[in-house]
Amino acid sequence: DAGVTQSPTHLIKTRGQHVTLRCSPISGHKSVSWYQQVLGQGPQFIFQYYEKEERGRGNFPDRFSARQFPNYSSELNVNALLLGDSALYLCASSLQETQYFGPGTRLLVL
Amino acid sequence: QQQVKQSPQSLIVQKGGISIINCAYENTAFDYFPWYQQFPGKGPALLIAIRPDVSEKKEGRFTISFNKSAKQFSLHIMDSQPGDSATYFCAARGAGGTSYGKLTFGQGTILTVHP
Repeated sequence: DAGVTQSPTHLIKTRGQHVTLRCSPISGHKSVSWYQQVLGQGPQFIFQYYEKEERGRGNFPDRFSARQFPNYSSELNVNALLLGDSALYLCASSLQETQYFGPGTRLLVL
Repeated sequence: QQQVKQSPQSLIVQKGGISIINCAYENTAFDYFPWYQQFPGKGPALLIAIRPDVSEKKEGRFTISFNKSAKQFSLHIMDSQPGDSATYFCAARGAGGTSYGKLTFGQGTILTVHP
């Protein structure tokens, strides 16, 4: 079975631009979570979705938004990019308590 | 605010030695405690996990010890190998309310195992 997949793998944007990151969960998993991992730190929770509904939101500004589709895939959108948004964005899917992470999307904001 | 504190920040161990990483949490609103291993440029991979009603869990060379009263848990890697060199994160899962399902991570431990 395929694991969690994310696209793109790498992305370079400039300040003020908008970005959309995509995630496909493990087959059968209905919950998707997004995390931001800045270099040298642990992942920070951004959003969790279950059955297309937002279940939780971390301490991130409204520039960050997400949604989950009927096939349980998900998108993370970030508007008005700042230099500080440069990070590895991780998607995790879960069936019960265990969250399985994808390889991440490395975003660089110049 | 829910926090998980991890130590040490970095650890150097000789091949065959025991690696020990410690974590502590600040409140009881967690119901599941996983450990993840992360290699450079990769996403975190689940190593082993424990629930708070269990004091110890062992899987191969990896053991979690959990002390509920002290709000502490630790990862022991027996017979450490150079291939274990990676960053290790402890995490705790929110048990309810707006934190339900949310993983709170420690700061990470960079483990280096010398041959």
